[in-house]
Amino acid sequence: EIVLTQSPGTLSLSPGERATLSCRASQSVSSNYLAWYQQKPGQAPRLLIYGASSRATAIPDRFSGSGSGTDFTFTISRLEPEDCAVYYCQQYGYPLKGITFGGGTRVEIK
Amino acid sequence: QVQLVESGGGVVQPGRSLRLSCVASGFTFPSYGMHWVRQAPGKGLEWVGVISDDGKNKYYADSVKGRFTISRDNSKHTLSLQMNSLRADDTAVYYCARDLLGFSGGWYVPTDYWGQGILVTVSS
Repeated sequence: EIVLTQSPGTLSLSPGERATLSCRASQSVSSNYLAWYQQKPGQAPRLLIYGASSRATAIPDRFSGSGSGTDFTFTISRLEPEDCAVYYCQQYGYPLKGITFGGGTRVEIK
Repeated sequence: QVQLVESGGGVVQPGRSLRLSCVASGFTFPSYGMHWVRQAPGKGLEWVGVISDDGKNKYYADSVKGRFTISRDNSKHTLSLQMNSLRADDTAVYYCARDLLGFSGGWYVPTDYWGQGILVTVSS
């Protein structure tokens, strides 16, 4: 099973700043099959990015993903107050070696 | 609009069984793989399992393999999760979620629509 380690655990930034989140895999994620989700308190997760860098439908372009192999990055170019949430990465590489989520990064807005 | 509504949660004793249901609407249910994902209180997300659009293929997390069974009734637009031999560490909010792509006989995995979640508490 591929283990995903997200860092930092918590990120505290001001509106308008850039947020950079990391997701590191214990093994190479084939075909860059990595997704990012946003979860706000009391809500279900929301898909933001799939295939490491493709934005899901209706996701603003200030959200972006990049990376390959074992190192992936999620960026919010200009933080807005509503971006306060926990962000999770998920790998789904093929052939399947389990489908796993990272432990999450909490983004706080100062 | 796409809607997924879970039901069947509650409090159950360790070792007992529980069946969750998820009724789908607003999209062509028979065309999509469907997933279950859970979240223990105050913890992160854990993927549980997936079933293909036609119900013929399934894949489970090691933590639930042999205890949980996913099934679907495409005529009723309903997804189910049969949970047997429940343990305290199965306590979680369970979400059903739609696969991003309509992938015949399989799945892609990223999930674009989620239900509101249903709480399952395993406790004596």
